[in-house]
Amino acid sequence: GAGVSQSPRYKVAKRGQDVALRCDPISGHVSLFWYQQALGQGPEFLTYFQNEAQLDKSGLPSDRFFAERPEGSVSTLKIQRTQQEDSAVYLCASSSLGPYEQYFGPGTRLTVT
Amino acid sequence: AQSVSQHNHHVILSEAASLELGCNYSYGGTVNLFWYVQYPGQHLQLLLKYFSGDPLVKGIKGFEAEFIKSKFSFNLRKPSVQWSDTAEYFCAVNAQPGGYQKVTFGTGTKLQVIP
Repeated sequence: GAGVSQSPRYKVAKRGQDVALRCDPISGHVSLFWYQQALGQGPEFLTYFQNEAQLDKSGLPSDRFFAERPEGSVSTLKIQRTQQEDSAVYLCASSSLGPYEQYFGPGTRLTVT
Repeated sequence: AQSVSQHNHHVILSEAASLELGCNYSYGGTVNLFWYVQYPGQHLQLLLKYFSGDPLVKGIKGFEAEFIKSKFSFNLRKPSVQWSDTAEYFCAVNAQPGGYQKVTFGTGTKLQVIP
């Protein structure tokens, strides 16, 4: 079956531009996670959705980062006024509710120039 | 806050050599533990997990890991590696929450297997 998909796969933005990154989770998965993976590091938690409710946004690095999942399916991570330090791979993962395996998408590699 | 340490950043082995990748976590309570793998050009995928029960956990492709609570460790092992095991391996921990799997990852270990 279809896995988690993310788009775009690559994004180059000039400093100060806004970007929007999309995640299509596995159909029926209640839980959705966003992670940021800097070069040479492991994924770092950004935010968590249970259906359309954003239950944890403790990992968002600044108020320039905003995520939504309005209908409990597709999610968008938006970064306003991008900075060079935002350059990273942004990973989306989904899972069933509870202690289940997270399924990861391919990620979006964001480069801010 | 929970944290995860992976001791080796880059490991190079010859085929048929044995593998052990170290992982230590810092959290005193109940934990769920994971090893994820990322093959070149592919997504992160689960290799194995420990929630409870037998501390020796077997995963896919002949990998296993042992949870030693007294040492806060969850080391990954494989008796004989293959070239196809070349990948980056991430240890991860979830301090068992009331609700969801907020997972903290280590920095990863890149394994290169030489034919």
